[in-house]
Amino acid sequence: EDQVTQSPEALRLQEGESSSLNCSYTVSGLRGLFWYRQDPGKGPEFLFTLYSAGEEKEKERLKATLTKKESFLHITAPKPEDSATYLCAVLLNAGGTSYGKLTFGQGTILTVHP
Amino acid sequence: KAGVTQTPRYLIKTRGQQVTLSCSPISGHRSVSWYQQTPGQGLQFLFEYFSETQRNKGNFPGRFSGRQFSNSRSEMNVSTLELGDSALYLCASSLEGSGYTFGSGTRLTVV
Repeated sequence: EDQVTQSPEALRLQEGESSSLNCSYTVSGLRGLFWYRQDPGKGPEFLFTLYSAGEEKEKERLKATLTKKESFLHITAPKPEDSATYLCAVLLNAGGTSYGKLTFGQGTILTVHP
Repeated sequence: KAGVTQTPRYLIKTRGQQVTLSCSPISGHRSVSWYQQTPGQGLQFLFEYFSETQRNKGNFPGRFSGRQFSNSRSEMNVSTLELGDSALYLCASSLEGSGYTFGSGTRLTVV
């Protein structure tokens, strides 16, 4: 069964304290891995898409990397406004059964204290 | 450019009633997917529509249905509402899998 597991479930950081979030996946035929940020009561906000092992993408204080079994979201010198739930999701190469279907992990709740 | 628009933002319904939610995708996006988000189950895929055709469906009962119109706008309907249907319902639009942009969601409360 396809599985996406995120760790830790919650992470508390001091402002400026860098860390990483993990997303491990057990799937057959990865088409793409997505990272989203979600604030309370809002829809997920797109951050990155990664397609192949070794790929890296950066945006401001965030950097996403991908291996054959997991992805990391590195947060460098976080600020309180980075506090949110971070979600990863996978899209599979499974023909009809994969159309539009992102399989999400449970998310990591990040809190950054000033 | 305008994002994904979902209406209404909030709904309160009584058990047994039915509800219809609306989603307007980004202009030019022909794929619309729907998700249910609850604290216990997280984000779960409901169904996907492309050019007015349902191409994929998740593991939800038949009370959950949807459709897509020729302008790519989509609606989802839940009949015979149950307390467990209380959730944030999200839609996402895409240019054929290149990226999924989500709306702000409709918060449905069933009482």
